[in-house]
Amino acid sequence: GAGVSQSPSNKVTEKGKDVELRCDPISGHTALYWYRQSLGQGLEFLIYFQGNSAPDKSGLPSDRFSAERTGGSVSTLTIQRTQQEDSAVYLCASSSDPRGGKNIQYFGAGTRLSVL
Amino acid sequence: GESVGLHLPTLSVQEGDNSIINCAYSNSASDYFIWYKQESGKGPQFIIDIRSNMDKRQGQRVTVLLNKTVKHLSLQIAATQPGDSAVYFCAERRRNAGNMLTFGGGTRLMVKP
Repeated sequence: GAGVSQSPSNKVTEKGKDVELRCDPISGHTALYWYRQSLGQGLEFLIYFQGNSAPDKSGLPSDRFSAERTGGSVSTLTIQRTQQEDSAVYLCASSSDPRGGKNIQYFGAGTRLSVL
Repeated sequence: GESVGLHLPTLSVQEGDNSIINCAYSNSASDYFIWYKQESGKGPQFIIDIRSNMDKRQGQRVTVLLNKTVKHLSLQIAATQPGDSAVYFCAERRRNAGNMLTFGGGTRLMVKP
């Protein structure tokens, strides 16, 4: 595909269940980012992958959140034992090597997570 | 992405007028800035960027101005159209924070026909 693809577009789950959100970055992009956007808010950084380096997990709000990136491409964000405050839109972005000076991140449409 | 922001600052302009959206940043180590547009139900879309060694950059109908003295960034949209209605975010890259972008809270632009 030409852009960043996220799935599912919507996810409704019950409190306490685990969820997995998927992100397919733009082909060839080495950097991948996850953000969370609550209603009426800006983007909250969660985690950043760059090539084969160890990910920057400094934005993950708790140990219930984890993410992996397999083969330097597809990424999965996992939220365990979901809570109602986890309800938000989860956005994924990718960029070509940002170390060259610019860092234009291209975003997917997001996954809207609703925890009942 | 969700762009319905009940508490976002809102700018309302008449179709055809020019719009100016402002953003303040606090970190003097920021060296790169981006403006994004987010329409309802979509992810943020890149509009224009500027490096800190510049003070102005123009695109198609958009201009970004950077004033490093007062740490202020603005996005000017010429001849605003209904399709420009969206939430606009500025983002900065802080030189001491690797390649991370820090996003502002957003401004909702509403264009009246």
